[in-house]
Amino acid sequence: QVQMVQSGPEVKKPGASVKVSCKASGYSFVDYGLSWVRQAPGQGLEWMGWISIYYGQTRYAKILQDRVSMTRDTSTNTAYMELRSLRSDDTAVYYCARESDFGGLIVIQQWGQGTLVTVSA
Amino acid sequence: DIQMTQSPSSLSASVGETVTISCRASQDIDLYLNWYQQIPGKAPRLLIYGASNLLSGVPSRFSGGGSGTEFTLTISSLQPEDFATYHCQQAYSDFRTFGQGTKVEVK
Repeated sequence: QVQMVQSGPEVKKPGASVKVSCKASGYSFVDYGLSWVRQAPGQGLEWMGWISIYYGQTRYAKILQDRVSMTRDTSTNTAYMELRSLRSDDTAVYYCARESDFGGLIVIQQWGQGTLVTVSA
Repeated sequence: DIQMTQSPSSLSASVGETVTISCRASQDIDLYLNWYQQIPGKAPRLLIYGASNLLSGVPSRFSGGGSGTEFTLTISSLQPEDFATYHCQQAYSDFRTFGQGTKVEVK
């Protein structure tokens, strides 16, 4: 079955960087785009960006575009999200999420388990 | 970016009641609106796509409506497992955005 397994929790100091991985299995990795979504404690979902696994093309939310990078390694079916210059308000659970196309309607049907990133001095 | 605004932010209801959650887009998004349910500590789960299409396996007490800028999610006859947070998401733009979520709590 489809699985998306993310790396473990991270604790970082302000100004540092974090790189979260998402290893996919159970489907053709290159056939689906992948979004990254984060959720600060007690808050809603925030779309961070998207990567085309096949082409490597990326789109980033404007509020994060100067600090985020999304990459993938098709040889290991793994996607990565790196966030730089971390601040306390970057503390959140970070999800990788596979997009599916339902007849032209794009949805997120598969999610990773989430990775808690805590930014604290 | 397209802004998505949900209302209310939270509501209290009893088992058996019908509740409606609203989601407004800052511009016309046609029918490109999805609804997700999230249980605390879990990843979201897709319920409805394309504004009104129920994902296979989702109970029929969930229904979605609307188009353009105004959308609704209705849960008829609330069940204990429906107490959760609900999120709308627009998929019209390549830059996807979510609403801030609506928490459905037990009255």
